[in-house]
Amino acid sequence: NAGVTQTPKFQVLKTGQSMTLQCAQDMNHEYMSWYRQDPGMGLRLIHYSVGAGITDQGEVPNGYNVSRSTTEDFPLRLLSAAPSQTSVYFCASSRTGGSYGYTFGSGTRLTVV
Amino acid sequence: KQEVTQIPAALSVPEGENLVLNCSFTDSAIYNLQWFRQDPGKGLTSLLLIQSSQREQTSGRLNASLDKSSGRSTLYIAASQPGDSATYLCAVISGSARQLTFGSGTQLTVLP
Repeated sequence: NAGVTQTPKFQVLKTGQSMTLQCAQDMNHEYMSWYRQDPGMGLRLIHYSVGAGITDQGEVPNGYNVSRSTTEDFPLRLLSAAPSQTSVYFCASSRTGGSYGYTFGSGTRLTVV
Repeated sequence: KQEVTQIPAALSVPEGENLVLNCSFTDSAIYNLQWFRQDPGKGLTSLLLIQSSQREQTSGRLNASLDKSSGRSTLYIAASQPGDSATYLCAVISGSARQLTFGSGTQLTVLP
């Protein structure tokens, strides 16, 4: 089982560039989420999805876009990168139902210059 | 809005000590509570998951308790080792979309 796979692991962008962070899971999990982790701010929810075709905003959605066309994939798009989006991004997934926890990917470290 | 607080923010102990990490949350309507470990520059590793109907969970030297009515959880680490040095994160799963809300973590250093 690969679990949750994130690519790339590292990325440097110039201000104004766009890019897509990839997230894929092979556990048939319904729930998928994107978090960013910043020093002193902890982990904050960007966007989440409760199933294919269903997405919603989290705590810090501005500047990011998501879609969920399949159960397996949940890409995060940066529309026009800004230095404030320099962060570590984590994707997580979980099964539906009350007895399951979340599995995290290994993260993408993004620097916007 | 759910808020999660972890105390202490940092802890340094000599090897072999038993220690307790604390987590509190403001809204007791949770599905589960999950403890994670994060090593520097790495991802999150799940340590223990406690369902809202449970009082505690154990895995090896780790024991986590949950008192949902008072909004508290503790992570007990027995006979600490230098390899336990990491940041420990507490997160509650709540809301209609089962979202994770994280505490800011406890940075643990176990001295040899």
